[in-house]
Amino acid sequence: NAGVTQTPKFQVLKTGQSMTLQCAQDMNHEYMSWYRQDPGMGLRLIHYSVGAGITDQGEVPNGYNVSRSTTEDFPLRLLSAAPSQTSVYFCASKVAGELFFGEGSRLTVL
Amino acid sequence: AQSVTQLDSQVPVFEEAPVELRCNYSSSVSVYLFWYVQYPNQGLQLLLKYLSGSTLVKGINGFEAEFNKSQTSFHLRKPSVHISDTAEYFCAVTSNRDDKIIFGKGTRLHILP
Repeated sequence: NAGVTQTPKFQVLKTGQSMTLQCAQDMNHEYMSWYRQDPGMGLRLIHYSVGAGITDQGEVPNGYNVSRSTTEDFPLRLLSAAPSQTSVYFCASKVAGELFFGEGSRLTVL
Repeated sequence: AQSVTQLDSQVPVFEEAPVELRCNYSSSVSVYLFWYVQYPNQGLQLLLKYLSGSTLVKGINGFEAEFNKSQTSFHLRKPSVHISDTAEYFCAVTSNRDDKIIFGKGTRLHILP
């Protein structure tokens, strides 16, 4: 059971670089989401999707883009990385109210 | 819009003692409430959830929570904690009118020997 798979697990970027965090799930869940976790801030919702072709903004969407071309994949794009985006990013899918999380991607922006 | 407040950022408790982690929510509609646990260097997993029905909800690892609508609370309890309960605990809220799940800032549970 793969569940929710995130890649890469670790990434270091320089300010201004772009990158994509990948997220894939094999549970056929319609709902997928991205959170960032920062010390003392809990998890904050970045973007979410209720199905292929449908995305919406969460609490902290600025600086991030998403798309949902298939049910399985929900990539998160940073177009021009900033030090404030240094964080641990979690992808999660949902069914019957329960979120299923990936193991996280730790991103450092220098 | 929903919001969640976890009143304690850290809770120290002796092993085998009882513990309560507090969670209050704000919402203008009916809510669904969750507690998630994050063990060190891992993702989050569901402890328990309240969707409807009985206000006392039992979860995994001996945890339970009680939904109190009048006090807008969903406190998490365990009668006797173990070293293995060392983790960060997150309360979360959503509703049947919203696709977003909003998390509190978390409570770090420290088990003292």
